[in-house]
Amino acid sequence: AQSVAQPEDQVNVAEGNPLTVKCTYSVSGNPYLFWYVQYPNRGLQFLLKYITGDNLVKGSYGFEAEFNKSQTSFHLKKPSALVSDSALYFCAAARGNTPLVFGKGTRLSVIA
Amino acid sequence: DSGVTQTPKHLITATGQRVTLRCSPRSGDLSVYWYQQSLDQGLQFLIQYYNGEERAKGNILERFSAQQFPDLHSELNLSSLELGDSALYFCASSGGQGHEQYFGPGTRLTVT
Repeated sequence: AQSVAQPEDQVNVAEGNPLTVKCTYSVSGNPYLFWYVQYPNRGLQFLLKYITGDNLVKGSYGFEAEFNKSQTSFHLKKPSALVSDSALYFCAAARGNTPLVFGKGTRLSVIA
Repeated sequence: DSGVTQTPKHLITATGQRVTLRCSPRSGDLSVYWYQQSLDQGLQFLIQYYNGEERAKGNILERFSAQQFPDLHSELNLSSLELGDSALYFCASSGGQGHEQYFGPGTRLTVT
């Protein structure tokens, strides 16, 4: 069965510092990988995806993620965090036509 | 704005009642997905429809049912409601395999 793990429930980072939100996946074959962000009382917003090609994927709002097949990871990164980045972040994976499997989410708090 | 609309935004009802949640996908998207988000269970996939046909089923209770109509909008029916059904219900749509899903703003259901 497919699964996605986000090992940290909460990540705290100071404004201006780089941030990393971790994600590992268990999907047979070649996965499709996604990051979403959820602000309070809002739906999930798509940030970026990896389907194939370059392992470093750039997305919205300055976020990027690195696909590492050997470590089955897809960590979300941003060089310089903003207070407005504070939100709940979800990693998701799928293969072929299977529905997305989401991680439990990581709450990012950026402190001014 | 994701282009996915959901109605109503809020719903308060009593145990044992039945409710219908409605979703209109983004223009051109044939796939519709339903998710339940609760504090203790995270984001749970319920069911997927593609062009009117059920495509995949997740952790959907027998008391819940869904359908997708010829105009591609979808409805999620929840019956014999229990207190534990209180949650945010999200609809998402996508253009197909490997495509990101776009989420609606959600319907917050409160069962009293």
